[in-house]
Amino acid sequence: AQTVTQSQPEMSVQEAETVTLSCTYDTSESDYYLFWYKQPPSRQMILVIRQEAYKQQNATENRFSVNFQKAAKSFSLKISDSQLGDAAMYFCAYRSALGSARQLTFGSGTQLTVLP
Amino acid sequence: KAGVTQTPRYLIKTRGQQVTLSCSPISGHRSVSWYQQTPGQGLQFLFEYFSETQRNKGNFPGRFSGRQFSNSRSEMNVSTLELGDSALYLCASSRDGGARTEAFFGQGTRLTVV
Repeated sequence: AQTVTQSQPEMSVQEAETVTLSCTYDTSESDYYLFWYKQPPSRQMILVIRQEAYKQQNATENRFSVNFQKAAKSFSLKISDSQLGDAAMYFCAYRSALGSARQLTFGSGTQLTVLP
Repeated sequence: KAGVTQTPRYLIKTRGQQVTLSCSPISGHRSVSWYQQTPGQGLQFLFEYFSETQRNKGNFPGRFSGRQFSNSRSEMNVSTLELGDSALYLCASSRDGGARTEAFFGQGTRLTVV
């Protein structure tokens, strides 16, 4: 079974600064997808960024980028120029690309506070 | 385009009762998945439905069940409620439930069992 670990329960960053959230995962599969989701106080999970395991190039979406290290099974999220609206719980998630098990496996989350 | 709609948003039930939660996916989406979110266990997968068939199931007792209708709307039912069932229940829809396909989440139903 796959597991996803987020070792930072809480993080804080000054507005306009950069912060990196960590995520590691364990899997024996070679083909899979990794995601970062954001859950603001409204509770709705919002997809921030997605990485396909077979792509070596790190995904980027505007101020959000990832550092994907497949051999180390590490998938960190970097938020540049942090904004107050970035404050939320961030979840790292894994999804297998094989077989019929297409559910998301989530980490425990990192609560990000953005300080003005 | 309307997002994923979950009803009701809040629910309070008594131990031993049963409850039904509803999820209306985005128009055109045929896959609906349910997740339970609690402070202790985090986000856990309950089940996935695609074209009215349960395609995948998580490790939950048989008290948790679900179904999907021909219009892709889904319901989940929890019978004989226990205090530990108190949680935020999230529904996610996607076009086909494929690994690469983005899943869109609703705002959840907050269930409190007293």
